[in-house]
Amino acid sequence: EDQVTQSPEALRLQEGESSSLNCSYTVSGLRGLFWYRQDPGKGPEFLFTLYSAGEEKEKERLKATLTKKESFLHITAPKPEDSATYLCAVQARQRAQKLVFGQGTRLTINP
Amino acid sequence: EPEVTQTPSHQVTQMGQEVILRCVPISNHLYFYWYRQILGQKVEFLVSFYNNEISEKSEIFDDQFSVERPDGSNFTLKIRSTKLEDSAMYFCASSDTLTGLHNEQFFGPGTRLTVL
Repeated sequence: EDQVTQSPEALRLQEGESSSLNCSYTVSGLRGLFWYRQDPGKGPEFLFTLYSAGEEKEKERLKATLTKKESFLHITAPKPEDSATYLCAVQARQRAQKLVFGQGTRLTINP
Repeated sequence: EPEVTQTPSHQVTQMGQEVILRCVPISNHLYFYWYRQILGQKVEFLVSFYNNEISEKSEIFDDQFSVERPDGSNFTLKIRSTKLEDSAMYFCASSDTLTGLHNEQFFGPGTRLTVL
């Protein structure tokens, strides 16, 4: 069964304090790993797709990396507006439509 | 920028009643999905839809659930006889491909369903 585990569950940082969020996964043949941002009461907002180990994607203060077992979302010099829940999801080759989500990391950036 | 829209934003219903949740996917997308998120829990896949038929569904998507694309723009989720445990946020999503480098799914803002 495909599984995604994210850590930590919650993370509180000061503005400008860089850190990383972890997403560990087990999937029978990875088609893609996806990062989303979710604000309270809203739908997931797409950030990145990673397809193969060693791949990296960047967007503003965020950088996502991928290995064969996990992905990291690195946040550099975060601002209060980066506060949100960050979701990781995997898509398996055999079940190409379904995204399997982790429980998310709730990130709070204090000014 | 194109986006997925959903109506209503909040639906309150009595147990046993039928509800229909509506979605307008991004206009050139071909693949449509429903997910749900019970408060404090993970986002869970319900069903995917392509070429006017269900292409994949989860164990959650039992006979009480159905999906339809009644016209060229809307995509609906019907729950025939709601239960208390159906209370959740329901998200519609769409994608323009299934494979390749652009198969990301874009989500709508969600419909909060409350079953009393």
